[in-house]
Amino acid sequence: SQELEQSPQSLIVQEGKNLTINCTSSKTLYGLYWYKQKYGEGLIFLMMLQKGGEEKSHEKITAKLDEKKQQSSLHITASQPSHAGIYLCGAEQPIDRGSTLGRLYFGRGTQLTVWP
Amino acid sequence: GAGVSQSPSNKVTEKGKDVELRCDPISGHTALYWYRQSLGQGLEFLIYFQGNSAPDKSGLPSDRFSAERTGGSVSTLTIQRTQQEDSAVYLCASSLGVYNQPQHFGDGTRLSIL
Repeated sequence: SQELEQSPQSLIVQEGKNLTINCTSSKTLYGLYWYKQKYGEGLIFLMMLQKGGEEKSHEKITAKLDEKKQQSSLHITASQPSHAGIYLCGAEQPIDRGSTLGRLYFGRGTQLTVWP
Repeated sequence: GAGVSQSPSNKVTEKGKDVELRCDPISGHTALYWYRQSLGQGLEFLIYFQGNSAPDKSGLPSDRFSAERTGGSVSTLTIQRTQQEDSAVYLCASSLGVYNQPQHFGDGTRLSIL
């Protein structure tokens, strides 16, 4: 199985500050997903990274997958209260040999609080 | 609707009762997944469907859990003789059924066993 460790577990920042959340894998990452979850709601898909060195951005959120494909980071620029929530990284592994489907192994999440 | 729909959103029941959770995936998504999210346990994969078939049931926590999918669309997760440790949020996701396509999640069913 795949183990993902996220750090920090929680983060409290003032509005306008930049922040970074890290996700480290015990195995090579072939598909790394970032999701955001608010209390009582499901997971909102943010970004998917596949290739070593890949970087993607959406609005003020940037995610990177390192060259060795065992670590990813999520960076938020000029944080806003709307960024608050739990950020989860998920690693995809084929469900079984020959399958076209993958299951996701998730980290424990990073709880982000942004205060005005 | 456009997203994954789960019902009920909340369920409170007595220990020993059976419960049925429903998931309606995004139209056109052939793959459907069930996860469980518990305090202190994180997100745990339970079972997946490709079409109506669930080839691997080994992720289900016990034989009290079962799942089915009919017509390649709606899925139900049934828990028989519920126990307090079954209390959790049960999340359903669907995808296009091809590797490296994102899974899209519903808002979950919050199950509380008294």
